Amino acid sequence: DGGITQSPKYLFRKEGQNVTLSCEQNLNHDAMYWYRQDPGQGLRLIYYSQIVNDFQKGDIAEGYSVSREKKESFPLTVTSAQKNPTAFYLCASRGGTGSRDTQYFGPGTRLTVL
Amino acid sequence: EDQVTQSPEALRLQEGESSSLNCSYTVSGLRGLFWYRQDPGKGPEFLFTLYSAGEEKEKERLKATLTKKESFLHITAPKPEDSATYLCAALSTSGTYKYIFGTGTRLKVLA
Repeated sequence: DGGITQSPKYLFRKEGQNVTLSCEQNLNHDAMYWYRQDPGQGLRLIYYSQIVNDFQKGDIAEGYSVSREKKESFPLTVTSAQKNPTAFYLCASRGGTGSRDTQYFGPGTRLTVL
Repeated sequence: EDQVTQSPEALRLQEGESSSLNCSYTVSGLRGLFWYRQDPGKGPEFLFTLYSAGEEKEKERLKATLTKKESFLHITAPKPEDSATYLCAALSTSGTYKYIFGTGTRLKVLA
């Protein structure tokens, strides 16, 4: 089945640790996105990538880093510089004929700082 | 500044009681307006894309409509399984392909 997978579903981080969230898609979409979702707030854009080997900062990029070495993959690293990383993280992709403007989301990763 | 506002924040309906959710948007040229359904602890599920004022789309008990300033998600004769948070997002014609999301409407349908 075509879709977007995120792993792990739950992730626990100790203070001072870097952690990496995985996002893979087999929809052959060019663009991929990372969002953060906190209770009572809309989705906030962390980073996005329109094509392989290129990405742009979103509205809340501080303390996060990404790479886009393959079309299918867009991992997000939450660094120790991110002071309040506990949140629900969502990966999305966009593209495809007939629905090129529509984003499709993965199942999410819930990150908790211990 | 581009902005999307959803109302109400929360809505409780009796099963079969139809209602509408509102999404007001302010963007510098609308490329598309998107509706999603999100269940607790899960990623948003795509429902509809609307491109121009006057456009309508339907899926089961849901119908989305679009005007030049807002979009409505009409829910006809809802069932308890329609309980979820409904999100809308706007995409402008600026070319950056950055989506602006509202904070959602939490819908609870009581049996």
